Amino acid sequence: DIQMTQSPASLSASLGETISIECRASEDIYSNLAWYQQKSGKSPQLLIYAANRLQDGVPSRFSGSGSGTQYSLKISGMQPEDEGDYFCLQGSKFPLTFGSGTKLEIK
Amino acid sequence: QVTLKESGPGILQPSQTLSLTCTFSGFSLSTYGMGVGWIRQPSGKGLEWLANIWWDDDKYYNPSLKNRLTISKDTSNNQAFLKITNVDTADTATYYCARIETSDYPYWGQGVMVTVSS
Repeated sequence: DIQMTQSPASLSASLGETISIECRASEDIYSNLAWYQQKSGKSPQLLIYAANRLQDGVPSRFSGSGSGTQYSLKISGMQPEDEGDYFCLQGSKFPLTFGSGTKLEIK
Repeated sequence: QVTLKESGPGILQPSQTLSLTCTFSGFSLSTYGMGVGWIRQPSGKGLEWLANIWWDDDKYYNPSLKNRLTISKDTSNNQAFLKITNVDTADTATYYCARIETSDYPYWGQGVMVTVSS
């Protein structure tokens, strides 16, 4: 199985701050990487797919980058509604595997 | 408009079989390229992918559940199903179904909580 190592586990950011979350795959996943946001008590929401493609309706302050085994999600200008948990998901090879998650809070 | 909704027993006992239903609208599982997946999340923990099924009845399972999973579909009634045999307390979680696009899940149901307890 492909292991997804996500960091940090938690993050506290001020409003307007730019933050990054990383996912490292145990092998090349050829940009088959998606990022999801999950707010408390809600279902996950797709933010980024194919490593850097913004899902329709997602604010442009979210961006994704990376290739090979290293990927990152950036939020350019933290907003109150960005609080929540963030997960990466590799879709390169079955079984699909998620990162362990990052809890993002407002400082 | 794409919607999905999960339903399940709520609570069941260890060793029983968990049967989950995903009822969806806004797409058809008989349409080329369409698929539905199941993902679960224990309370306060991360997400675990369980299984996918596609329009052509192709299926993939998470081998960590050791052949306990069966995914199926009823295209006439716009439903997908997941069965997990021989459940134990480790199967207590919120179970989500989601529509697949390539390998991503842009549409999710609200989730259904399942508790395994004696």
